[in-house]
Amino acid sequence: KAGVTQTPRYLIKTRGQQVTLSCSPISGHRSVSWYQQTPGQGLQFLFEYFSETQRNKGNFPGRFSGRQFSNSRSEMNVSTLELGDSALYLCASSLIQGGTEAFFGQGTRLTVV
Amino acid sequence: QQQVKQSPQSLIVQKGGISIINCAYENTAFDYFPWYQQFPGKGPALLIAIRPDVSEKKEGRFTISFNKSAKQFSLHIMDSQPGDSATYFCAAENSGGSNYKLTFGKGTLLTVNP
Repeated sequence: KAGVTQTPRYLIKTRGQQVTLSCSPISGHRSVSWYQQTPGQGLQFLFEYFSETQRNKGNFPGRFSGRQFSNSRSEMNVSTLELGDSALYLCASSLIQGGTEAFFGQGTRLTVV
Repeated sequence: QQQVKQSPQSLIVQKGGISIINCAYENTAFDYFPWYQQFPGKGPALLIAIRPDVSEKKEGRFTISFNKSAKQFSLHIMDSQPGDSATYFCAAENSGGSNYKLTFGKGTLLTVNP
């Protein structure tokens, strides 16, 4: 059974640009959550999607958005990139809503210069 | 407000020793407590998880001890090996609520010396 797949693995963007990250969950999993990981703040929740609906959103500015498609694949978008957005963005999938039995992908390393 | 406090920040253990990492939580609505292991360049991997209806859960060399009254839980790694060297995160979730998210501790960098 394939795990959670995140693409791309690495990204370098310039301040002010926008970026789209993709996540393919484990087959059969309908919940996809996104987390931002930085050395200073650790793992912080961005948002969770279940059956194409955003169920919860973390304390991030509106520049961070996401969506989920009917096949459960999810994308997150960050607009008007800032230097502080440099982080590892992790996607987790689970069978049910939320974080129970959540399995993470390898992440997308975003560097904003 | 840090809802899950993890300690220590770093830990050095000799091969064969016991590694103990502790977490304390504030929200009594939390009812699912997983531990994740993360190697450099990788995403966190689910190691073991517990619910408050049991005080201890063991899987191989990994044991979670849970103290509901003290709102604390800990990870014990028995017979620690150099391959266990990684960052460990505790987390908590109110799985019966509508938050649908894991709240993570800040992580513990474990180094097991050969």
